[in-house]
Amino acid sequence: EAAVTQSPRNKVTVTGGNVTLSCRQTNSHNYMYWYRQDTGHGLRLIHYSYGAGNLQIGDVPDGYKATRTTQEDFFLLLELASPSQTSLYFCASSDVAGGYEQYFGPGTRLTVL
Amino acid sequence: GDSVTQTEGLVTLTEGLPVMLNCTYQTAYSTFLFWYVQHLNEAPKLLLKSSTDNKRTEHQGFHATLHKSSSSFHLQKSSAQLSDSALYYCALSDTGGLSGKLTFGEGTQVTVIS
Repeated sequence: EAAVTQSPRNKVTVTGGNVTLSCRQTNSHNYMYWYRQDTGHGLRLIHYSYGAGNLQIGDVPDGYKATRTTQEDFFLLLELASPSQTSLYFCASSDVAGGYEQYFGPGTRLTVL
Repeated sequence: GDSVTQTEGLVTLTEGLPVMLNCTYQTAYSTFLFWYVQHLNEAPKLLLKSSTDNKRTEHQGFHATLHKSSSSFHLQKSSAQLSDSALYYCALSDTGGLSGKLTFGEGTQVTVIS
């Protein structure tokens, strides 16, 4: 079965703080994604990538940077965190085989005070 | 651009009664349609997927049929269980455009009561 892991699972920071969320997949997938999930908004795509060194802008990118260092690792960076970024963050991976079916990690709950 | 519409935001069902969640979509390309289920404090996981017109797909008691003529992929189950209480997302992938993205609907929160 596909495996996507995220760390940390929970994070609390203060306004203006720096946060890095990590994601690793062992599926040998080319595509990786970062989403945020908030009540009333469903899943919203922040950034995604189709390979090491590649970055594509998603639907809600403001305030977020991302970097794909290897095929396995995808990071989400919040350089000046704000309370509006308090959310549940999911990472996912996929590939063209299977029609881009996405496999999700367990999520990271971020609280910005 | 692509879009997915789930008309029900909140659904409350009585255990043992049938379930039907609506999903319609718009896309310019050939595509896969998906249903994801997310239980409380868990990640979304795949429930069903299809790219074949008019073919019924089944898994874990749920079924759906992709109808390209009406751009629909409704999720059904004959008898709801308490464990079916969850958030359900319909999504489509842009296989023709090769962007690698999924377009998700807003989700339907299902609560099954006894």
